[in-house]
Amino acid sequence: DTEVTQTPKHLVMGMTNKKSLKCEQHMGHRAMYWYKQKAKKPPELMFVYSYEKLSINESVPSRFSPECPNSSLLNLHLHALQPEDSALYLCASSPLPGQGNNEQFFGPGTRLTVL
Amino acid sequence: GQNIDQPTEMTATEGAIVQINCTYQTSGFNGLFWYQQHAGEAPTFLSYNVLDGLEEKGRFSSFLSRSKGYSYLLLKELQMKDSASYLCAVRDGAAGNKLTFGGGTRVLVKP
Repeated sequence: DTEVTQTPKHLVMGMTNKKSLKCEQHMGHRAMYWYKQKAKKPPELMFVYSYEKLSINESVPSRFSPECPNSSLLNLHLHALQPEDSALYLCASSPLPGQGNNEQFFGPGTRLTVL
Repeated sequence: GQNIDQPTEMTATEGAIVQINCTYQTSGFNGLFWYQQHAGEAPTFLSYNVLDGLEEKGRFSSFLSRSKGYSYLLLKELQMKDSASYLCAVRDGAAGNKLTFGGGTRVLVKP
């Protein structure tokens, strides 16, 4: 299984809603990532988890809250978002440094619209 | 920090060759990746370079010169399906091995 899955594919939410994005991989990767991608822009790193622990937070606002319940799952909890947070949210996973070339495998993304 | 530059857009004809250049500045270079991304889809891995030289993979090749902070992706025998964005990404060993993407190069293949 060389796939990263993400749910939901599309999400529309109001600024007062609470929602969660989910990501799953079964490749045994111990590093998982959240990226945000606006239209015609490259992915921007948000969070990195290594061995289920948060290792990088790129100064992301607290209305985004990541969670890594186990080595296969990664969640992104959303609360009180702003319309400018509308974007494609990509999850990725990779082996840790020293294990191969650390190629990141990306999921299909969740297209988020905040009204 | 990192500074990664690549052209915004390139146009080429089906069957031709296109070379996408990427220059970078980073304090802790630990590998360079090329990804392909079709509109509305996730990036997919194309190639990886960490040592100087050329890596060839079918119709795609990637070159790296660490001393020059320079890489290119070469796409041969272009097909219409190669129309996509091509992202250069640099891994920074001095920043937790995080990956930083360049702005991407949109390649349009014309018949």
